[in-house]
This record gives sequence, structure tokens and C-alpha cells, in this order.
Amino acid sequence: GENVEQHPSTLSVQEGDSAVIKCTYSDSASNYFPWYKQELGKGPQLIIDIRSNVGEKKDQRIAVTLNKTAKHFSLHITETQPEDSAVYFCAASENTGNQFYFGTGTSLTVIP
Amino acid sequence: GAVVSQHPSRVICKSGTSVKIECRSLDFQATTMFWYRQFPKQSLMLMATSNEGSKATYEQGVEKDKFLINHASLTLSTLTVTSAHPEDSSFYICSASARDYGYTFGSGTRLTVV
Repeated sequence: GENVEQHPSTLSVQEGDSAVIKCTYSDSASNYFPWYKQELGKGPQLIIDIRSNVGEKKDQRIAVTLNKTAKHFSLHITETQPEDSAVYFCAASENTGNQFYFGTGTSLTVIP
Repeated sequence: GAVVSQHPSRVICKSGTSVKIECRSLDFQATTMFWYRQFPKQSLMLMATSNEGSKATYEQGVEKDKFLINHASLTLSTLTVTSAHPEDSSFYICSASARDYGYTFGSGTRLTVV
């Protein structure tokens, strides 16, 4: 089955700096890679996703890059703000309707 | 976008009682629903996968007689924690999946067994 690894487990950045979270996956059949943000006591919320036919996707301060050959993808948050503080999970799946395999999460703290 | 409603958000129950958690897809028909358990500061642990009208598929180590899952319709799945004990206290999250709607999580249920 798929194995998704995520690093780092914790990350602290100064407000305004950039944050990068990296994930690797093992199954070459995976084609869909979403990122979720989970605030304390809430369910994960989709913030951005990318499919295997695209190398990079950007949505305002958030971007995701995918290297399918190397089987890794990354989340980039620029101009971080205190409200970006949360736990971020990456995931991999063959398709949006299939089971997702989650990374272990990254606790991001943005220091004002 | 797709919305998944999970209820209740918090529940406290006495040891030995049963608790039912509901998960509803509000604006789409979910092909599959998933139930997760999450311990503090840890990732999501998949408990079971359920498809409408069929028995749930449980992950290894998850007791199917303790965590009863019913997926009666394309928009509703329930998780019943039977004879709950303090070690069952956790954050339970459902998600609903459909090809054109992706994978949407509910808001989670904090279960505390006293």
C-alpha cells in the first residue's frame, strides 16, 4: 500500500517569513495530492490540492509543488500570519474518490 | 463546496454506555465514508471504510463489535461506540468521498468517557 512521510513534525517561523512542508510517497499509482489544515478541535479543511499532471499550483499565499519522478510534493506558505498556525497534513490518493493516505502532520507556529 | 456535517461535536458519557456519532453529506451523495480516530498531537488513524448498503471494512486492530458502523444511505453514516470505556476517549472524525467532490471532512466529535 501507499506510505506517506511528512517533515518536519513541528515548524516555527516568524510572522512574514515563509514555511515549507515536505512529503514523500511510495506508490507511483497515486495521482492526487491534497493538503489539509487542521485547527485545534476541528476537522481538517482542504486548503490546496494538485494532480499528477501538474507540477505546481498556487493560490494566493499558498503553493504546492509536485515532483512525480522523485515522488515528493511540498507545501509553501509565504508571508505567514499568526492565523496560519495549525497542523497541516499532506495526503496521497489514486483519485479523489479513493482512500487517502495521510502524512503524520506538521504543527506550524507563526510567531508574531 | 462540499459540506459534511458531523454531530455531536462533543459528548461526555459514562463508562459502559454507548454513543452514536452521525456523519452527513449535506449537498452531495457520498460514494464512500471513512471514520478516523485522532489522538492528541497525532495524525488521523483510519478506523473503517463504509460504502452505502454494504458492511464496513475495518482496519487491522479495530474491533468491529465495539465500533459499529452503519451506512444506511448515500448521505448518512453512523459510528456507534458500544460499551464505551475511558480508553475510547478520543477525537473521532468522519469524511465523505465522491469522485466529483473529493474528500471532505466533518468537524469532528470529542468523546470523553468518564
